[in-house]
Amino acid sequence: AQSVSQHNHHVILSEAASLELGCNYSYGGTVNLFWYVQYPGQHLQLLLKYFSGDPLVKGIKGFEAEFIKSKFSFNLRKPSVQWSDTAEYFCAVKGGGGGADGLTFGKGTHLIIQP
Amino acid sequence: DVKVTQSSRYLVKRTGEKVFLECVQDMDHENMFWYRQDPGLGLRLIYFSYDVKMKEKGDIPEGYSVSREKKERFSLILESASTNQTSMYLCASSLVRRNYGYTFGSGTRLTVV
Repeated sequence: AQSVSQHNHHVILSEAASLELGCNYSYGGTVNLFWYVQYPGQHLQLLLKYFSGDPLVKGIKGFEAEFIKSKFSFNLRKPSVQWSDTAEYFCAVKGGGGGADGLTFGKGTHLIIQP
Repeated sequence: DVKVTQSSRYLVKRTGEKVFLECVQDMDHENMFWYRQDPGLGLRLIYFSYDVKMKEKGDIPEGYSVSREKKERFSLILESASTNQTSMYLCASSLVRRNYGYTFGSGTRLTVV
């Protein structure tokens, strides 16, 4: 069975700081990887995804993530955070074989940006 | 834009009641999912369905059942609600064999008293 581990449950940064949220997964085969964001009071939104090709993936709102297969990692980065980035961030993995299998989520990282 | 609509934003039910959570999607997606979200535990898959009348157990199916009589609608049923089922419930849908992420509904916050 696949699993996802997010390294930090709570992260507090000041505006303009650089961000890196860690995500490691365990799965034996081809994977599809995702980062979702949940702003306070809102539904989950897709930030970015990796299926194949360039391991550096760019998403919305200036976020990017790098898939490092040898490390089973898919860390999320942003060079300069804003107060509006305060949210809960979830890393998720799905086996790459297509079909209906649900996503397996990490436990989430609660990011607080201080003005 | 794909829309996934959950019928109730907030629900309060009594222990032992039978509870129905409804989810409707408007983009002809084959796959539909029910997750629960709890602080510190992330999202955990309860059940999913890949076609009408088809269902598969997820990671935590105990105490729940589902129904998918029509392609656009996926219902989660708590046969006899218990306080440990107090949670945020999220519905999601996706297309088979399409490489994009799942679309989530806004969630139903269920409180069992």
